[in-house]
Amino acid sequence: DAKTTQPTSMDCAEGRAANLPCNHSTISGNEYVYWYRQIHSQGPQYIIHGLKNNETNEMASLIITEDRKSSTLILPHATLRDTAVYYCIVRVGSYDKVIFGPGTSLSVIP
Amino acid sequence: DVKVTQSSRYLVKRTGEKVFLECVQDMDHENMFWYRQDPGLGLRLIYFSYDVKMKEKGDIPEGYSVSREKKERFSLILESASTNQTSMYLCASSLTLNTEAFFGQGTRLTVV
Repeated sequence: DAKTTQPTSMDCAEGRAANLPCNHSTISGNEYVYWYRQIHSQGPQYIIHGLKNNETNEMASLIITEDRKSSTLILPHATLRDTAVYYCIVRVGSYDKVIFGPGTSLSVIP
Repeated sequence: DVKVTQSSRYLVKRTGEKVFLECVQDMDHENMFWYRQDPGLGLRLIYFSYDVKMKEKGDIPEGYSVSREKKERFSLILESASTNQTSMYLCASSLTLNTEAFFGQGTRLTVV
C-alpha cells in the first residue's frame, strides 16, 4: 500500500503562497494523489487531485514530480481561513479505502 | 453541492448502550464510508459500503457494525458502547470509488 509522509506542521504569512509537500515514494502507476483539508471541528474538505500532470482549480494548485514520488500543494495567497490540517492521500487497494495519515497542520499568521 | 448530513453533532452515551449513528447523503452516491478520528491517529476507516446491503470492513471494524438498507443512508452501530469508542465519527460518500469523497460535519461521541 502506498503511504504518504508530510511535515507535522508549517507556518505561512498571510497573503503569501503556502507550499505543502508530500512524499509518496511507493506510489503505483494507477494511484492518484488527493489532497483534503480539515478546519477545526469540521469534516474534511476535498481540495484537488491528480495523477501525473499538474492540476489547478479555484482553491489550489497541485504539482506532482515527474517520477511521481512527491507532490506539493500550493495555496497561492494564503488567508487566515486556510489555517487547517492538510492531508495528502493516495488511493490504495482494490477499493477506494482512503487512508488519512496525521497530515500537516498549517497555521497562517497575520 | 453535495450534502452529507450526520444526525447528531454531539452525543453522550453510557457504557453498554447500543448506539446508532446515522448518515444521509443527497447526491445518489454509490459509496459511503464511516471513519473515526482520534488525536495523533488521523482518520481510520471503520466500514464502507459500495452498494445497498453491501459492506466491507475497513481497518478497525471490531466493536462496530453497519447497515445500508437504502442508497442514501448508511448507519454505524455500536452494539455495546465502551469508553474506548469515545471519538469523533465522520461519514463520507463518493460517486465512484475513483472520485473524491465528501464528508459530513462529524459526530463527537462520548461514552461514559
